[in-house]
Amino acid sequence: SQELEQSPQSLIVQEGKNLTINCTSSKTLYGLYWYKQKYGEGLIFLMMLQKGGEEKSHEKITAKLDEKKQQSSLHITASQPSHAGIYLCGATNYGGSQGNLIFGKGTKLSVKP
Amino acid sequence: DAEITQSPRHKITETGRQVTLACHQTWNHNNMFWYRQDLGHGLRLIHYSYGVQDTNKGEVSDGYSVSRSNTEDLPLTLESAASSQTSVYFCASSGGTPERLHFGNGTRLTVT
Repeated sequence: SQELEQSPQSLIVQEGKNLTINCTSSKTLYGLYWYKQKYGEGLIFLMMLQKGGEEKSHEKITAKLDEKKQQSSLHITASQPSHAGIYLCGATNYGGSQGNLIFGKGTKLSVKP
Repeated sequence: DAEITQSPRHKITETGRQVTLACHQTWNHNNMFWYRQDLGHGLRLIHYSYGVQDTNKGEVSDGYSVSRSNTEDLPLTLESAASSQTSVYFCASSGGTPERLHFGNGTRLTVT
């Protein structure tokens, strides 16, 4: 079965610093999704990547998909306390369809003011 | 605005009791999913449905059941609650692939 591994598991950064979170798949990626979760709340959709080499940005968050490496990275520029939370990557289940996603275990981000 | 709502937000029950968690979406999505989230395991798929009368088992389906009698609702039933089922449960829906999942705010279930 397909698995997603996220690194690092947790991250503490000083406000204003840049950071990168990685998501590596054990199988070919057919679609990669990034979500953010605050404690006790649901998942907020950030971005979806479908094609190898694709890169998307929203405000200070940029995500890239390296299909050959079966990996995606999420980069935050000039981090702020509002960026704190748990970041999860999700991928369309290998050979699956219609939105059946598997998820990594998440990366917990803390931003120190 | 369309949304997906879960109820209750918090539930405490005793071992052996039957429990049903509700999920209702107004997106008119065909696809609905139940996940559980546990420390060290992340999100794991319990059951999913691609339409009315369709249900499928996910990765961790033992002890759970779902039914889909209409487009809007996918209730999750724990037949006989066990302490191992203490978790946060998330319902999600999507219109298909490659559309993203829309998540509810979760139900925190404690089995004592």
